[in-house]
Amino acid sequence: HSALTQPASVSGSPGQSITMSCTGTSSDVGAYNYVSWYQQHPGKAPKVMIYDVNNRPSGTSNRFSGSKSGNTASLTISGLQAEDDADYYCCSYTSGSTVVFGGGTKLTVL
Amino acid sequence: EVWLVESGGGLVKPGGSLRLSCAASGFTFSDLWMSWVRQAPGKGLEWVGRIKRKIDGETTDYAAPVKGRFTVSRDDSKNTLYLQMNSLKTEDTAVYFCATGDINAFTMWGQGTMVTVSS
Repeated sequence: HSALTQPASVSGSPGQSITMSCTGTSSDVGAYNYVSWYQQHPGKAPKVMIYDVNNRPSGTSNRFSGSKSGNTASLTISGLQAEDDADYYCCSYTSGSTVVFGGGTKLTVL
Repeated sequence: EVWLVESGGGLVKPGGSLRLSCAASGFTFSDLWMSWVRQAPGKGLEWVGRIKRKIDGETTDYAAPVKGRFTVSRDDSKNTLYLQMNSLKTEDTAVYFCATGDINAFTMWGQGTMVTVSS
């Protein structure tokens, strides 16, 4: 399974909303509702922000939301804040019983 | 307090071997599937492999680039996860993270341990 496709970068101003995409295939994103999203700040471990397409772990801001349509999943962050500036990775379970990540999107809060 | 701590990283020559450990605390280790995820310098995350819990057969799965060279194991009596890495290649150079969960989410992560494969 090839890596999921994410845009290399997105940007937005504080208070704005942004959406980033994650495109896979009918063997991963399109096949299962097992899409998760991770936030990673430089030098830190990733942190799960969304799981099972659109569920937030306890403690995660409701400014983060997820969705999926066909083979493409999306992460939306509303009310952008400076601390949202980070790398974001999508992830999906696959038909081969493996897991595949996206290449990552660098979010810049202007 | 809940934590995962990896150890065992270092510098190894191509073709060499290394065993990573991941010590867990603060949760029931034996109840969870455990995984290894790596990140090459300046690159994205890459899933390496997983081991299921005992009641699910303790079976393992691996990413294609490491299958046949890497082995994931666990010792529930020691709350420890392992990654045995053999026939190491320069492209295996990365920070290796252990994480809980797998299919629907990696919920807890360690801080990572650096593995450098170089002559």
